[in-house]
Amino acid sequence: DAGITQSPRHKVTETGTPVTLRCHQTENHRYMYWYRQDPGHGLRLIHYSYGVKDTDKGEVSDGYSVSRSKTEDFLLTLESATSSQTSVYFCATSTGGGTEAFFGQGTRLTVV
Amino acid sequence: GNSVTQMEGPVTLSEEAFLTINCTYTATGYPSLFWYVQYPGEGLQLLLKATKADDKGSNKGFEATYRKETTSFHLEKGSVQVSDSAVYFCALSDSGGGADGLTFGKGTHLIIQP
Repeated sequence: DAGITQSPRHKVTETGTPVTLRCHQTENHRYMYWYRQDPGHGLRLIHYSYGVKDTDKGEVSDGYSVSRSKTEDFLLTLESATSSQTSVYFCATSTGGGTEAFFGQGTRLTVV
Repeated sequence: GNSVTQMEGPVTLSEEAFLTINCTYTATGYPSLFWYVQYPGEGLQLLLKATKADDKGSNKGFEATYRKETTSFHLEKGSVQVSDSAVYFCALSDSGGGADGLTFGKGTHLIIQP
């Protein structure tokens, strides 16, 4: 296992509130990713990072921001949560160059 | 851009049946190909992978062969068990060094009945 820990594992929040999800890795992988998983859509990339303070947008980045101040931590922030952001969020890491990704256990977020 | 297409299911089989889950891909370069498995309430685990054409990935009785001519990476198992019930994802990664992660299919829900 790549030692990826997500927190919290479950969260219920109200519409309009900011929410931050945390991903912590112990493998010193350069690349980190945030995906969301929804029925009928599989996994879709939200944002990714290719180094400390180096991030870029993925397929479904609207309403989300990220930060990476240390190699081991990658934060996902929902600036103002909406019901459409109710989902399961997965963090992943990789060494890049076509290699596999390693996944955390996921965070189930419900926006009411 | 890159894309992955797989049968969504659910696919329901009896124990000891033969399994095939089809996966085809579109990619601009020479991707690596993966199958991941997700058990209920858990994250995705790598099941097997292949990094170049004609490579065969295998693990836990599952196999898949990288077919460049048909742009396919079908997952097979000769005799499934109830414990194989899970969601299976086909994915590709651009081996050209791109940082933007894996591209996933929508997942196939597999149900094995005793």
